[in-house]
Amino acid sequence: KQEVTQIPAALSVPEGENLVLNCSFTDSAIYNLQWFRQDPGKGLTSLLLIQSSQREQTSGRLNASLDKSSGRSTLYIAASQPGDSATYLCALRGNDYKLSFGAGTTVTVRA
Amino acid sequence: DGGITQSPKYLFRKEGQNVTLSCEQNLNHDAMYWYRQDPGQGLRLIYYSQIVNDFQKGDIAEGYSVSREKKESFPLTVTSAQKNPTAFYLCASSMPGRGLAFFGQGTRLTVV
Repeated sequence: KQEVTQIPAALSVPEGENLVLNCSFTDSAIYNLQWFRQDPGKGLTSLLLIQSSQREQTSGRLNASLDKSSGRSTLYIAASQPGDSATYLCALRGNDYKLSFGAGTTVTVRA
Repeated sequence: DGGITQSPKYLFRKEGQNVTLSCEQNLNHDAMYWYRQDPGQGLRLIYYSQIVNDFQKGDIAEGYSVSREKKESFPLTVTSAQKNPTAFYLCASSMPGRGLAFFGQGTRLTVV
């Protein structure tokens, strides 16, 4: 069974600081890894998708890396803004279509 | 507009009653998923389906049932056997190939 861990569970930073969010997983036989953002009481919004054969993906201020050999992915958010405050979740899809989530990291960016 | 629609947004159920949550997608996705989220926690997989007329149990399937008679629809029934059904329920689908997943806006179920 795929186990997904996100550390830290919560993070508070001043505006302008870079954010580093970590995701680790136990089974490297993945199809893809996806990072999501969730605002309170809402559904999930996709941020970045990394295929199993890729090492990283970038979109604007966001960059995500994938290292299957060590079972890790990192989401970097540059120059954080108060609007970045949310919970960030990583999800691993296996070759059996099963999509497993970590518990998330709740980020607060202080103005 | 393409997307995933969950209804209703809020649902109240009396103890001992079954209730069905709706999930419809017009994205032509093959795979669909149901998750449960409790306050301050991540998403736990209830059921998922790769194709029509086929579905698999996730990590917490007890007390739930699903059907997949149409590609567009994946309804979830919360039965009276589910001991603690009050939670936020999220439905997702993923596109073929890349496997990019999209989520609905969720249904908040409360047992009264």
